[in-house]
Amino acid sequence: KQEVTQIPAALSVPEGENLVLNCSFTDSAIYNLQWFRQDPGKGLTSLLLIQSSQREQTSGRLNASLDKSSGRSTLYIAASQPGDSATYLCAVRTTSGTYKYIFGTGTRLKVLA
Amino acid sequence: DGGITQSPKYLFRKEGQNVTLSCEQNLNHDAMYWYRQDPGQGLRLIYYSQIVNDFQKGDIAEGYSVSREKKESFPLTVTSAQKNPTAFYLCASKGDNTAEQYFGPGTRLTVT
Repeated sequence: KQEVTQIPAALSVPEGENLVLNCSFTDSAIYNLQWFRQDPGKGLTSLLLIQSSQREQTSGRLNASLDKSSGRSTLYIAASQPGDSATYLCAVRTTSGTYKYIFGTGTRLKVLA
Repeated sequence: DGGITQSPKYLFRKEGQNVTLSCEQNLNHDAMYWYRQDPGQGLRLIYYSQIVNDFQKGDIAEGYSVSREKKESFPLTVTSAQKNPTAFYLCASKGDNTAEQYFGPGTRLTVT
């Protein structure tokens, strides 16, 4: 059974720091992996999606990498800003034949001004 | 303005009452999902539907029911059989031509 883990559960950093959020999964047979941002009491906003055949995706100050063999993905945030404060979740889609996604528990990020 | 809408934003019910949460999308997506989120936890899949008139149980379907009579709509009913219904409920959709899931703003249900 696929399990997705995100460590740490919470992180506080000063403004301007570069930071890395981690996502681990137990079954490397994934179809894709998606990173989301969630603000308190809100829905999820998609940040980046990496297909299983890709190694990384970039959008602005965000870069997500995928290493299927080790069951890991990282989300790199460059030059963090207070507006980046939110909970970041990763989700994996396990096979191409289903539409099910397994979510991690998230990392709650606080960027201090 | 395309997207997913959920209503209401906040919902309060007495224990023992059934309640239906609305989810509508105008993205022309075939697949729709219902998730539950509890404090400090990730999202858990309740039900999903890949096409109209078809749906499958997710990991925590007990005490919930859904229907998919129209492509745009996927309402979730929380029945009195659900032991701990207070939670944040999120609806999502996905199109065949996109790999990404898109989420609605969520409904916070409180049952007392």
